[in-house]
Amino acid sequence: AQTVTQSQPEMSVQEAETVTLSCTYDTSESNYYLFWYKQPPSRQMILVIRQEAYKQQNATENRFSVNFQKAAKSFSLKISDSQLGDTAMYFCAFMKHGEDDMRFGAGTRLTVKP
Amino acid sequence: DVKVTQSSRYLVKRTGEKVFLECVQDMDHENMFWYRQDPGLGLRLIYFSYDVKMKEKGDIPEGYSVSREKKERFSLILESASTNQTSMYLCASRGRGAADTQYFGPGTRLTVL
Repeated sequence: AQTVTQSQPEMSVQEAETVTLSCTYDTSESNYYLFWYKQPPSRQMILVIRQEAYKQQNATENRFSVNFQKAAKSFSLKISDSQLGDTAMYFCAFMKHGEDDMRFGAGTRLTVKP
Repeated sequence: DVKVTQSSRYLVKRTGEKVFLECVQDMDHENMFWYRQDPGLGLRLIYFSYDVKMKEKGDIPEGYSVSREKKERFSLILESASTNQTSMYLCASRGRGAADTQYFGPGTRLTVL
């Protein structure tokens, strides 16, 4: 079974600075998808960014970008120009191609300080 | 605007009670999921359904059952609630395409006394 590890339970960053959240995963598959989800306090979880394993190029969504290292099985999330609204739990997730269920890490609680 | 709704945000039940958690999605999604979220453990899949009347066990199905009689509705049932089922329960839905986005409901925080 695939496992997803987020080694940083909590992180903090000053507003306007850059922060990187780590995620590693374990799989023998070659074709899969990776995701970062954000869960703000008392609000619904939303998708931040998605990466398809067969794509070499790292995904980017505005201030959010990933560093996907397939050989190292690493998928980190970089948040640039951090904003107070980025304060949330962030979950890394893995889904094997052709399957329906997604595997989640334990989450990283990010606090953006003014 | 896509929407996944859950019947309650907060629920308090007593040990031994039968508990129903309802989830409704308005996106005509084939796949629906029930997760349990606990601190330090992330989201763990309880059950999922890929079609009406179809269900698959996830990682932690013990003590739970599910029902999907209509495409838009997926219910989680705790036959006899226990204190170790106190948790946050999240429902999600997703289309059949691998690249489809998975949408989550707001969650139900269940306390079993």
